[in-house]
Amino acid sequence: ILNVEQSPQSLHVQEGDSTNFTCSFPSSNFYALHWYRWETAKSPEALFVMTLNGDEKKKGRISATLNTKEGYSYLYIKGSQPEDSATYLCAFGGSNYKLTFGKGTLLTVNP
Amino acid sequence: GAGVSQSPSNKVTEKGKDVELRCDPISGHTALYWYRQSLGQGLEFLIYFQGNSAPDKSGLPSDRFSAERTGGSVSTLTIQRTQQEDSAVYLCASSLLNSNQPQHFGDGTRLSIL
Repeated sequence: ILNVEQSPQSLHVQEGDSTNFTCSFPSSNFYALHWYRWETAKSPEALFVMTLNGDEKKKGRISATLNTKEGYSYLYIKGSQPEDSATYLCAFGGSNYKLTFGKGTLLTVNP
Repeated sequence: GAGVSQSPSNKVTEKGKDVELRCDPISGHTALYWYRQSLGQGLEFLIYFQGNSAPDKSGLPSDRFSAERTGGSVSTLTIQRTQQEDSAVYLCASSLLNSNQPQHFGDGTRLSIL
């Protein structure tokens, strides 16, 4: 059974704070690591797909890094805004099609 | 359509009834996935389609669950003789083939079994 762990489980920050979460995954049979944002009453939205060790991706105030050798990825949010409130999911691709999702980190940004 | 479409958005039914959930993927996406999220749990993989065939059905929780895809497009997930533990949000996603591509999700079907 593949173990994809995300921490923390939930997080409350103030508007303007920067924050980060962790996703840990198996370091073998790696194809890809995905990050998704899932807002309440909406569908999960893809943020990043990373495939290479050392990858860093950025989208506005959100960025992610990848270490496939040690099996972890960090997601960073700079200057959090209330609209960043959502559940952030990571998913490990251990084959050419299948993703195994973590349980997510629920972020609440207080105005 | 522009995105992945799922119907119904909500379904409430009595224990023991059959239900059918529908997913219309993004045009041209050969890969289609069904997931479910039960209360307090992460997204659980159910089944994967490549075109009309399902190479991986390993996530289907019991033989009451089945799925098909026709014409390389629309997929239906059928749950027979529903049980209360089937209550969950059922999500469909599609992508270009392989896990290096992002998956595009529908809004899900919230299934409640009374």
